Amino acid sequence: GENVEQHPSTLSVQEGDSAVIKCTYSDSASNYFPWYKQELGKRPQLIIDIRSNVGEKKDQRIAVTLNKTAKHFSLHITETQPEDSAVYFCAASPGFQKLVFGTGTRLLVSP
Amino acid sequence: DSGVTQTPKHLITATGQRVTLRCSPRSGDLSVYWYQQSLDQGLQFLIQYYNGEERAKGNILERFSAQQFPDLHSELNLSSLELGDSALYFCASSVGGGQDTQYFGPGTRLTVL
Repeated sequence: GENVEQHPSTLSVQEGDSAVIKCTYSDSASNYFPWYKQELGKRPQLIIDIRSNVGEKKDQRIAVTLNKTAKHFSLHITETQPEDSAVYFCAASPGFQKLVFGTGTRLLVSP
Repeated sequence: DSGVTQTPKHLITATGQRVTLRCSPRSGDLSVYWYQQSLDQGLQFLIQYYNGEERAKGNILERFSAQQFPDLHSELNLSSLELGDSALYFCASSVGGGQDTQYFGPGTRLTVL
């Protein structure tokens, strides 16, 4: 079955810096890749997603890139702010909407 | 607010007991998913229902079962509870059977003592 690996597990940056989180997946049939942000004790919230027919997608300070050949996708956050501090999960969908999540990256943005 | 509701918010029970968690999907969504998140762990997919029928199964224990009712709400039943079942249980919903966006509910925090 699908397996998603996510790195790094923790990431500390200064306010204003960029942050990059990387994920790799194993199932070449996966074609939907969402990213979720989860604040402590709260529900995961979708922040951006990308489908396999697109190589890059941007939404203000957030961008996601997808390399289907290499089976990896990345989340880029520019001009980070303290409110970006949270756990970020990548996921891949191999079909029937089953989502396989990565293990999460704890992002800490220091003022 | 995602539009997905879950009850109860918190549940404290003892080992060996049985509990039922409830989820109401967003209006118009036909699919419901259940996930388990243990402390400092990722999200483990348990099971998916689409329009009343089971569609996909993940790492769901035999002691756990779920169903989706005609009004599309879903219940997750956990029985013979063990200490290790303590976790956050999330429900998510999406529109259809394709790869649509999943919206998560606020979760039910289960504590087994």
